[in-house]
Amino acid sequence: NAGVMQNPRHLVRRRGQEARLRCSPMKGHSHVYWYRQLPEEGLKFMVYLQKENIIDESGMPKERFSAEFPKEGPSILRIQQVVRGDSAAYFCASSQMTEDTQYFGPGTRLTVL
Amino acid sequence: GQQVMQIPQYQHVQEGEDFTTYCNSSTTLSNIQWYKQRPGGHPVFLIQLVKSGEVKKQKRLTFQFGEAKKNSSLHITATQTTDVGTYFCAGSGTGANNLFFGTGTRLTVIP
Repeated sequence: NAGVMQNPRHLVRRRGQEARLRCSPMKGHSHVYWYRQLPEEGLKFMVYLQKENIIDESGMPKERFSAEFPKEGPSILRIQQVVRGDSAAYFCASSQMTEDTQYFGPGTRLTVL
Repeated sequence: GQQVMQIPQYQHVQEGEDFTTYCNSSTTLSNIQWYKQRPGGHPVFLIQLVKSGEVKKQKRLTFQFGEAKKNSSLHITATQTTDVGTYFCAGSGTGANNLFFGTGTRLTVIP
């Protein structure tokens, strides 16, 4: 049973470009969570999605950030017009049900030049 | 809003010494989970506690959930170099949609 998959593992973007981060949850999991981790800091919740629905986006910045989890395919976290402050590790996690154990992917490390 | 704090933020121990990290929530939790993140790695689930006063053991690791379900602790007996990493607690309130992660405790084990 494959774990949570994230790609790319490393992403370099110049200021003003777009970043697209992909997450495929574990088989059988329909709940996806995105977290951001700045260097030397803890995990900050961004958004929680179920198939085709955003359940909680209270941790998402109001501008430039969006997330989706389509009926088919991976969940996508999209950052438009990236700035240096967006440089961080972005982790995706999935679970079977709300409040269940969350299984984390390896993360995407975004560097904005 | 809900906050989950952990202390200490950093801990350096000599190999063989014990280690404890404490987790405190501003609100009552429905459950608490513990994760370990190795340097450069991703968080890995360790355990979940649900009942008030619950204690669980995994080899040298002992996890405890407070009676009021607002605090928790992780104790490692006789640390080894493989224990190095950051330990996070994470909790959710009743009916909440997401986990609130603690600030983490970074453990360094000196051989």
